[in-house]
Amino acid sequence: EVQLLESGGVLVQPGGSLRLSCAASGFTFSTYAMTWVRQAPGKGLEWVSTFSASGGDPHYSDSVKGRFTISRDDSKNTLYLQMNSLRFEDTALYYCAKRAVSGRGIGHYMDVWGKGTTVTVSS
Amino acid sequence: EIVMTQSPVTLSVSPGERATLSCRASQSVLSNLAWYQQKPGQAPRLLIYGASSRATGIPARFGGSGSETEFTLTITSLQSEDFAVYYCQQYNSWPLTFGQGTKVEIK
Repeated sequence: EVQLLESGGVLVQPGGSLRLSCAASGFTFSTYAMTWVRQAPGKGLEWVSTFSASGGDPHYSDSVKGRFTISRDDSKNTLYLQMNSLRFEDTALYYCAKRAVSGRGIGHYMDVWGKGTTVTVSS
Repeated sequence: EIVMTQSPVTLSVSPGERATLSCRASQSVLSNLAWYQQKPGQAPRLLIYGASSRATGIPARFGGSGSETEFTLTITSLQSEDFAVYYCQQYNSWPLTFGQGTKVEIK
């Protein structure tokens, strides 16, 4: 069974740092682009970042560019999101999601999602 | 950035009726459009990709149509489990963007 399990979400003060992890299983992790999507309380979905498969460049939303860094360890089947300089508006449920299509090229829609991990930025 | 606008914000439908949800892109996304369903306390679920292709395991009552800037998700004969929030997402260009969602509620 294909599964994604996020972890690392906690309560953190503004300006703080946090690293989220997403452990993948049930598929060939290295061949799929992986994405972080967040959802603020009571709000809609917001794309955060995507790391392409096979060494492609990462992509970031403007709202996190320069503060967040996405990475992956294919040997551990794990996706990460390093979050620095956290702001109140980063408070959200953070989902890890798998691209539906393997390899590279266009087509970043997501067919498998984790249950999410909650990040709360508060003083 | 391509802005995705969904309408209506809320749609009240009786079970067994048809629901029509709209999604408009601020510029052409060709057919690079996906639809997701999200129920309370759950992660999103992929319904439609390529504007009109159903994802694996999605019932035939879910149908997608449209291209370029205008898209529609149609749910024929709404079942109790279909009451949820629906999001469109374009993947034609970076950044990936979602619509704000349409809540389908029981009338």
